[in-house]
Amino acid sequence: NAGVTQTPKFRVLKTGQSMTLLCAQDMNHEYMYWYRQDPGMGLRLIHYSVGEGTTAKGEVPDGYNVSRLKKQNFLLGLESAAPSQTSVYFCATSQGALYGYTFGSGTRLTVV
Amino acid sequence: QQQVKQSPQSLIVQKGGISIINCAYENTAFDYFPWYQQFPGKGPALLIAIRPDVSEKKEGRFTISFNKSAKQFSLHIMDSQPGDSATYFCAAVSTSGTYKYIFGTGTRLKVLA
Repeated sequence: NAGVTQTPKFRVLKTGQSMTLLCAQDMNHEYMYWYRQDPGMGLRLIHYSVGEGTTAKGEVPDGYNVSRLKKQNFLLGLESAAPSQTSVYFCATSQGALYGYTFGSGTRLTVV
Repeated sequence: QQQVKQSPQSLIVQKGGISIINCAYENTAFDYFPWYQQFPGKGPALLIAIRPDVSEKKEGRFTISFNKSAKQFSLHIMDSQPGDSATYFCAAVSTSGTYKYIFGTGTRLKVLA
């Protein structure tokens, strides 16, 4: 039982390159979220999904796109990476507000 | 109105001491307040949570105190241990919405041996 798995764990991109971060869960949770964590700014919501085939914008969605074609997977895409997107990205899942979030171990992305 | 303000940003406590982290919110629709603990290189993990119908919740050495009228809540770590050294995040959510947690900015706790 892996829980929430994020791939890759580390990545260095050049400005303008694109990439996709994958979040996979085996807990059958409906809700999935992408957050970014930056020093002094806490965790900020990028995009989220309340079920298969649905996505919605969070607090800081610009420069990112997401897809949830399958219930167990939530993909975060960077179309044209910028140095401001250097961050640690966390995926989280939930079966409801009172059950809390289960976080993945994160992806550390550096854009040079 | 969606913000959760957390303080202090960093905290150093002697072993055996009490660590106190405070959070404040404005949105009265928030009705669930969890705390998360994060060790370096790991994702945050749920530590303890409270609903506003109680003023205090205790789990082992960890206690949440909640003041609904002041819209404030705090985490107390009693008998702090070096293994408690981590970053702590408070959060708030409205359970009638889409379950989007709003996180505080985090407190880096260091417990000296």
